[in-house]
Amino acid sequence: EMELLESGGGLVQPGGSRRLSCAASGFTFDSYAMTWVRQAPGKGLEWVSVISGSGSGTYYADSVKGRFTISRDNSMKTVYLQMNSLRAEDTAVYYCAKPFPYSDFWRGPVGMDVWGQGTTVTVSS
Amino acid sequence: EIVLTQSPATLSLSPGERATLSCRASQSVGSYLAWYQQKPGQSPRLLIYDTSNRAIGIPPRFSGSGSGTDFTLTISSLEPEDFAVYYCQQRSNWPPLTFGGGTKVEMK
Repeated sequence: EMELLESGGGLVQPGGSRRLSCAASGFTFDSYAMTWVRQAPGKGLEWVSVISGSGSGTYYADSVKGRFTISRDNSMKTVYLQMNSLRAEDTAVYYCAKPFPYSDFWRGPVGMDVWGQGTTVTVSS
Repeated sequence: EIVLTQSPATLSLSPGERATLSCRASQSVGSYLAWYQQKPGQSPRLLIYDTSNRAIGIPPRFSGSGSGTDFTLTISSLEPEDFAVYYCQQRSNWPPLTFGGGTKVEMK
């Protein structure tokens, strides 16, 4: 069974940093670009970042560019999101997701069929 | 950036009724549109990809249609488990990936 398990969320002060992890199982991890999507409390879904299967390519939403860094360790089947200079508006549940039915980093995910349970980041003093 | 506008914001229906949800794009996305279902406290679930293809395990009462800028998700006969929030998503003008604001299907 394909699974994603996020961790690393918590309470962070404005201006602080946090690293999220997403551990994958049940599929050939390095064959898939992986995406982070977030959801602020009571709000809709917002795409955050994507990383190619090899890790050589990354894209970011304008709202996080220059502050967040996505990376992956294919030997550990884990994707990371390093979040720096956090702001109150970064408060959200952060999900990692796998593309479906195939992975195409250059054209974007057709859809995302496997999602983690989410990890909550709260930015507050 | 392509903006996706979903309507209505809330749809109040009874089990057994037909649900018709709309997603309109600010410019053409071709057929690159997906739909997700999200229940409270749960992660999103992929329903439809490339406008009209059902994801694995999605029952046939869910169908998608449209092209260009206007898309529809139809639930032919609502089951109790279908009351949820539904989001559309496009990848035509990538990056970024964008989502609609969601339509809540609530029980009347």
